[in-house]
Amino acid sequence: QKEVEQNSGPLSVPEGAIASLNCTYSDRGSQSFFWYRQYSGKSPELIMFIYSNGDKEDGRFTAQLNKASQYVSLLIRDSQPSDSATYLCAVTFSGGYNKLIFGAGTRLAVHP
Amino acid sequence: DVKVTQSSRYLVKRTGEKVFLECVQDMDHENMFWYRQDPGLGLRLIYFSYDVKMKEKGDIPEGYSVSREKKERFSLILESASTNQTSMYLCASSLRGDYGYTFGSGTRLTVV
Repeated sequence: QKEVEQNSGPLSVPEGAIASLNCTYSDRGSQSFFWYRQYSGKSPELIMFIYSNGDKEDGRFTAQLNKASQYVSLLIRDSQPSDSATYLCAVTFSGGYNKLIFGAGTRLAVHP
Repeated sequence: DVKVTQSSRYLVKRTGEKVFLECVQDMDHENMFWYRQDPGLGLRLIYFSYDVKMKEKGDIPEGYSVSREKKERFSLILESASTNQTSMYLCASSLRGDYGYTFGSGTRLTVV
């Protein structure tokens, strides 16, 4: 069974701090990695993707990938209350090119 | 931007009814997916389709069927609705798995 694991949280951080969200995956053949943000009652929206080992930055968001450790993370700098949401990690399944495996999500709460 | 449209935002149906959930995407994507999302259980794949008239079972297909007669439309059918099918239903589409998915806004179905 291919799995994607995330801490359910809640992860509570003060406004302006760095939020660090982590994800591990079991499929060594996975090639593409995604972070989705989901506000309560809404559908997931794609905020970051990463394909290669290392860091990828987009504004306040940085995705980090370590394929050897089967680990992907999302850093949110200068966290804002509007970042409070559930963050879903998703990984391509090597046995099915078009299919993503989702983690259960980490709930982030940014308090003023 | 890719748009994935789900026909209903909220739906209330009676036990035993046949229920149709419709999903339409406007970007000529090959792949379409139906998920349900329940608190604490994350996103669970019900069915997916890689092409017109093609369908494959996901992790929880029991009690559901699908139809894909046209590339842009993927319908989820609850043959005889039951209260344990009360959930948020999310449709998604993708060009390829390594491009990530785009989700529709979701249908919150309540079966009474």
